[in-house]
Amino acid sequence: DAGITQSPRHKVTETGTPVTLRCHQTENHRYMYWYRQDPGHGLRLIHYSYGVKDTDKGEVSDGYSVSRSKTEDFLLTLESATSSQTSVYFCATWSSAGSFQDTQYFGPGTRLTVL
Amino acid sequence: GDSVTQMEGPVTLSEEAFLTINCTYTATGYPSLFWYVQYPGEGLQLLLKATKADDKGSNKGFEATYRKETTSFHLEKGSVQVSDSAVYFCALTGTNFGNEKLTFGTGTRLTIIP
Repeated sequence: DAGITQSPRHKVTETGTPVTLRCHQTENHRYMYWYRQDPGHGLRLIHYSYGVKDTDKGEVSDGYSVSRSKTEDFLLTLESATSSQTSVYFCATWSSAGSFQDTQYFGPGTRLTVL
Repeated sequence: GDSVTQMEGPVTLSEEAFLTINCTYTATGYPSLFWYVQYPGEGLQLLLKATKADDKGSNKGFEATYRKETTSFHLEKGSVQVSDSAVYFCALTGTNFGNEKLTFGTGTRLTIIP
């Protein structure tokens, strides 16, 4: 268990409002990730970070931005939420990139509903 | 690019039945392969993994063998229990050393009935 927490765990918001989801880890893992989970799609990578202030896009990054100002925190922002962004969002971390013996650890998820 | 195809669910079995969930992949080179499990209301947990051809990953009675010739990593368990009810995801990492991204299948929902 990599000590990953996500906040909030549940959120209902309206179309057009900004939303920020927070991921916090206590293990000093270098890599952090944001995924969304939707029926029929599995988990799809939104953005990831390979260090403080170093981020890159995943396969479904449109409409999302991220920031990482500290090793332990990775924020996901929806600048103007849309109904298509209703989903369950998971944060993950990876302790040692480059090691085939390691794997990603996942947080408990945030259920976001955009009305 | 890399991709994972896994058996569509949902799958419903009786307790003590034999389980197989199929997973095949497309990737260049030699990816590492994983099975993750997601229990209701929780995040994903690593169930087992294999990092090279012919490796067998095993955990909690589940097994999967990395078959490069058939590009498969099927999940099996000899006798399932109600507590195995969950969603199972097959996944792979890229083939370059240092590649840190996971590609997931769509997931298979498993329900075990007493």
